[in-house]
Amino acid sequence: EPEVTQTPSHQVTQMGQEVILRCVPISNHLYFYWYRQILGQKVEFLVSFYNNEISEKSEIFDDQFSVERPDGSNFTLKIRSTKLEDSAMYFCASLYRNTEAFFGQGTRLTVV
Amino acid sequence: QKEVEQDPGPLSVPEGAIVSLNCTYSNSAFQYFMWYRQYSRKGPELLMYTYSSGNKEDGRFTAQVDKSSKYISLFIRDSQPSDSATYLCASRGNNNDMRFGAGTRLTVKP
Repeated sequence: EPEVTQTPSHQVTQMGQEVILRCVPISNHLYFYWYRQILGQKVEFLVSFYNNEISEKSEIFDDQFSVERPDGSNFTLKIRSTKLEDSAMYFCASLYRNTEAFFGQGTRLTVV
Repeated sequence: QKEVEQDPGPLSVPEGAIVSLNCTYSNSAFQYFMWYRQYSRKGPELLMYTYSSGNKEDGRFTAQVDKSSKYISLFIRDSQPSDSATYLCASRGNNNDMRFGAGTRLTVKP
């Protein structure tokens, strides 16, 4: 069964460092998303991506964040200068078109 | 105003009980409604997916959508301890951007 895969499963980084979270969406999917979930809190929308550009982003997705689909299979989230409050689970999701979205297992980011 | 509201619970029921989970939403453009189950530190797993109003049944799970009142429900019959998880409702419109409720933490006690 096709699935969304995310790497790494856990990333520890020092405050101020750049991190790149990687996702491989399901191969024929067209819409891609990043969500964040701070421990014990709700799943929060960060950004959606379609046709090689951002289609919508939330207030959380400020200039420190960027997304890329560099090679037609990977979908990355970059945080330029991490802050302690960026510590969270980051989930990638993808969907085809007007169908259900499938999520990866997440990357746990710990900023120390 | 949050786009999708969900009581975070926690909700605790005995094994075999019928569980009712509910959400409300505010955006009239939402057409697609989902329920996801999330175990601790795992990604959300799709349980039910419905379009517009109506009911959808899958085994012990029934999803209901009432667009006139902007109300989404998930019923779990004959609940099992393995159903213990956080249940997330989600909605989206034709722009394919999903919004989630806070998630309700459910515990089914043997």
